[in-house]
Amino acid sequence: DGGITQSPKYLFRKEGQNVTLSCEQNLNHDAMYWYRQDPGQGLRLIYYSQIVNDFQKGDIAEGYSVSREKKESFPLTVTSAQKNPTAFYLCASSIVGIAAYSNQPQHFGDGTRLSIL
Amino acid sequence: AQSVTQLDSHVSVSEGTPVLLRCNYSSSYSPSLFWYVQHPNKGLQLLLKYTSAATLVKGINGFEAEFKKSETSFHLTKPSAHMSDAAEYFCVVSGLSGGYQKVTFGTGTKLQVIP
Repeated sequence: DGGITQSPKYLFRKEGQNVTLSCEQNLNHDAMYWYRQDPGQGLRLIYYSQIVNDFQKGDIAEGYSVSREKKESFPLTVTSAQKNPTAFYLCASSIVGIAAYSNQPQHFGDGTRLSIL
Repeated sequence: AQSVTQLDSHVSVSEGTPVLLRCNYSSSYSPSLFWYVQHPNKGLQLLLKYTSAATLVKGINGFEAEFKKSETSFHLTKPSAHMSDAAEYFCVVSGLSGGYQKVTFGTGTKLQVIP
């Protein structure tokens, strides 16, 4: 079955450490997204990518970095500059992210819960 | 500017009674609207979507939503709640912004179903 796989499910970060969250999709989708979810705040966009080797900052990109070297993969690095990283991180994908297809839904992985040690 | 407001952060219903989760939106263009459901420690699953076809949209698990342009609303309903419906529900608006798709999520409504 096609879908999005996020790993690990739980992750702990030490002070001053960078950690990387994995996101892989086999849906052949062009666009991929990273969201942060905090209680009572809904989902906030961190980064998105519409095509391989290109990505754009979302609303809360500070302290995060991404890469998109392959269509299937969109890893997120939470750097030590992100002072409040404890949250639930969701990866999503959609067929395309361009204007003509704004009616396409996003497909989500099951998330990674990041906590501070 | 694009925004979405979920009017209730928590809704509690008895099993077998109707469900109403309210959503109002604001968009400069004709938007697409979605409802997603999220169970604890899981990702979001699409329930239904409105994309300018029929204003009454039927989704999975017996849910439906009606698009009312005059009221800028897209409320989610279900005739009879089941225990398995207990989850968090997100209303989402998607529209054009600067030549690309901009997606805005509501803050969510937690549905509690009482036996």
